[in-house]
Formats: sequence, C-alpha cells, structure tokens
Amino acid sequence: GAVVSQHPSWVICKSGTSVKIECRSLDFQATTMFWYRQFPKQSLMLMATSNEGSKATYEQGVEKDKFLINHASLTLSTLTVTSAHPEDSSFYICSARDQMTSGTPYEQYFGPGTRLTVT
Amino acid sequence: GQNIDQPTEMTATEGAIVQINCTYQTSGFNGLFWYQQHAGEAPTFLSYNVLDGLEEKGRFSSFLSRSKGYSYLLLKELQMKDSASYLCAVLDSNYQLIWGAGTKLIIKP
Repeated sequence: GAVVSQHPSWVICKSGTSVKIECRSLDFQATTMFWYRQFPKQSLMLMATSNEGSKATYEQGVEKDKFLINHASLTLSTLTVTSAHPEDSSFYICSARDQMTSGTPYEQYFGPGTRLTVT
Repeated sequence: GQNIDQPTEMTATEGAIVQINCTYQTSGFNGLFWYQQHAGEAPTFLSYNVLDGLEEKGRFSSFLSRSKGYSYLLLKELQMKDSASYLCAVLDSNYQLIWGAGTKLIIKP
C-alpha cells in the first residue's frame, strides 16, 4: 500500500513553455501533498505544501506565480512550471501523507520523481 | 534557525558496519526520520524514532537521543546495493519535515 505515482517521469521542454507534473496517491487519500525540488548532489528542497481544496503554502523564495499548484482532489495534486527556463531544470518530487494511516504518523510517501530539462 | 547536520560522504567496505550520524537543532521535535535515496530515485522510508533508544529493523537500526539532539543510522552486513544517500529529517513543532543535506554512502568491495 501507500503508493504515489508521478507523471511524466521525465520531460524536455523549450524555454518559455509550461510543463505540468501530476502526483497521484493510488491507494490512499492524501489531504496533504508536498512538492520538492532537488538539484544534483543536493538534498531535497521543499517548494510548497498542498492541501486538498485550499491554496498551497509556498516556502520562502519560491514564486507561486511560476510554480502553480492545484490539489483538486484527495488523490491528485499538480505542479505547473510556467514559462520554464533552463535554471528550472531539476528533479521534482512529490510526496503525500496518508490521513488514515495506522502506521508511522506523518510519514511521507514519495513519488518516483520527474526529471525536467529545459532547453 | 533550524539546522540538521550529517556528514557529506562516507565510505565503507562490503560486509562491514557503518554508522551515519545526524545532529539537529529545530523548533520543537515530533520525531526523526531516516530515508534512503538511490541516485535519480525518490527517497524511501527506513525508520522513525520519537522516543529515546534504539529501533532495530533487520540490518538497519536507528538510535535517538532527544536530550542530545542526536541520532544515528547503523547499517550492518553492508551490501553493494546499500550504496545510496541517507537522509535525516526531523518533524518540527509545526509537523513540517526539516531535511538534512544527506550522507552519500559509498560501499567498496
């Protein structure tokens, strides 16, 4: 159980275009999902916390108009990178918390990640 | 500020034991996680400690001392597949996960 999928797994786009990344919890409901970015050889950097039915909470320094997050249902959150530039090239990872877990509290289940390359 | 420290890189030999340390200073504490992350992949859960002491799970064990703001992950009988980054993360008073930079573990034959 507790599987999170992400789509696409990798994407190459041209500078100035927008890219949408989907994050789905497959076998549980997730009121809270998280979006991370990871540059090579660096740790995870939290971009935003997404709560179902409400606006996302962005971390300091993350542009909310550039990284649009929508959490329309208990199993789906999307991240749209608008007007992408080469410096946005990174590994984007989502995670979700199972609100009904009987296991480890506040454990985050991670999706497989999306590698974005902007040319 | 909030801070989590762990060594950047460690090297160990196949079959041996290695201990990865993590010290933290956070606003509140609601538990400490260890995750494993292979290159190019998402992190996977290894352990969660909220009380002092040692939690053993197969070849992996995790220790916590809340008074010292200290934890370690102990890996026994190392295998080549254990080569990965190990991330320490603390759940703070707001139940936000604060991540360490990760320790890259290199296993040599």
